[in-house]
Amino acid sequence: EAGVAQSPRYKIIEKRQSVAFWCNPISGHATLYWYQQILGQGPKLLIQFQNNGVVDDSQLPKDRFSAERLKGVDSTLKIQPAKLEDSAVYLCASSSTLSRGNYEQYFGPGTRLTVT
Amino acid sequence: DQQVKQNSPSLSVQEGRISILNCDYTNSMFDYFLWYKKYPAEGPTFLISISSIKDKNEDGRFTVFLNKSAKHLSLHIVPSQPGDSAVYFCAASARAGGGNKLTFGTGTQLKVEL
Repeated sequence: EAGVAQSPRYKIIEKRQSVAFWCNPISGHATLYWYQQILGQGPKLLIQFQNNGVVDDSQLPKDRFSAERLKGVDSTLKIQPAKLEDSAVYLCASSSTLSRGNYEQYFGPGTRLTVT
Repeated sequence: DQQVKQNSPSLSVQEGRISILNCDYTNSMFDYFLWYKKYPAEGPTFLISISSIKDKNEDGRFTVFLNKSAKHLSLHIVPSQPGDSAVYFCAASARAGGGNKLTFGTGTQLKVEL
């Protein structure tokens, strides 16, 4: 079974530029998550999708961050414009349908973003 | 507000001995707890979980203990192996709320020495 795929693996941009990250979850997983992990901290949830609907985006800085999952499979996370404090690893995770009680989330390798 | 705390940033253990990683939480709504292991340049990998209706869950060399009254859980690794060297994250979820949002601790770097 293929795992969660993410691209790019690394990205360096200047502040005020825009950037986009892509995620392909495990086949059949209805729930998709984007996390931000700042150096020395644990992952922090930015947004959670159930199929193509948003379940939780309470910690997403909506003035600069946006995310979509148009067909309920792949997802993109965008930052525009980027700030220095956005430097972090952006992790995508997926899990089976909540109703099945499978609460384990499976993570991709992440995208390391450096904003200069 | 750090709802999940891992107060030891690092731990060093000799190969073959027991590793004990600790985690404390403050939110009494948390009812499901997970441990993830993370190697450099990789995403976290699920290791083991425990529901709040249990106080122990075991999977091979890994055992998680939950003390609800103390809001404390621990991960025991016996025997420790060099390949266990990684960062371990404790995470918690409030499933009764209907979501699956995980709140993570800051991680403990485990080093298993020969």
